Amino acid sequence: RKEVEQDPGPFNVPEGATVAFNCTYSNSASQSFFWYRQDCRKEPKLLMSVYSSGNEDGRFTAQLNRASQYISLLIRDSKLSDSATYLCVVNMGTGGFKTIFGAGTRLFVKA
Amino acid sequence: DGGITQSPKYLFRKEGQNVTLSCEQNLNHDAMYWYRQDPGQGLRLIYYSQIVNDFQKGDIAEGYSVSREKKESFPLTVTSAQKNPTAFYLCASSTTILRETQYFGPGTRLLVL
Repeated sequence: RKEVEQDPGPFNVPEGATVAFNCTYSNSASQSFFWYRQDCRKEPKLLMSVYSSGNEDGRFTAQLNRASQYISLLIRDSKLSDSATYLCVVNMGTGGFKTIFGAGTRLFVKA
Repeated sequence: DGGITQSPKYLFRKEGQNVTLSCEQNLNHDAMYWYRQDPGQGLRLIYYSQIVNDFQKGDIAEGYSVSREKKESFPLTVTSAQKNPTAFYLCASSTTILRETQYFGPGTRLLVL
């Protein structure tokens, strides 16, 4: 089992749709979680951190479920500009360094 | 403007040649990282550095070498021992290595001739 797993997609949705991505992680000691966005042939950019209480930034909502070891990202009212690959990132935060990037979920938003 | 720069944007390597990828940051971050990304795959850690004059191997360090002589700079050398070097190389930095957000440079695409 991979340490961080994401549905590779692609997700093809019309503008205005709501889309949700899930990410599971295997290490229960994981301590911090992030969603990054990566456009084609570009570097990943931080979209949002994920907190235990859940957090929202405009049309984007991130949730963490420690009991089931997954995080989610919800995008409401999708825009064409949301088309990208979304990377789930998990940081173990234990002695030494261990940050794992998921392979990403590809999203296409169409007019 | 604060940020991370990588050069060159594209790099071509001949058989048996060593090449060096540049990474510079002016964010005053202690920690720096090198990742490799292959199509359809997640980022894989090559090397990381917590502080000047210190660096550690990541998951795929074979065939690569790094140095950290200055806080701002963390160059990566792809040696001839790396048999499949064609990939997208990303440099990142963070305040420290402990659960901190990483910020990425624009990347270097390495192609083998």
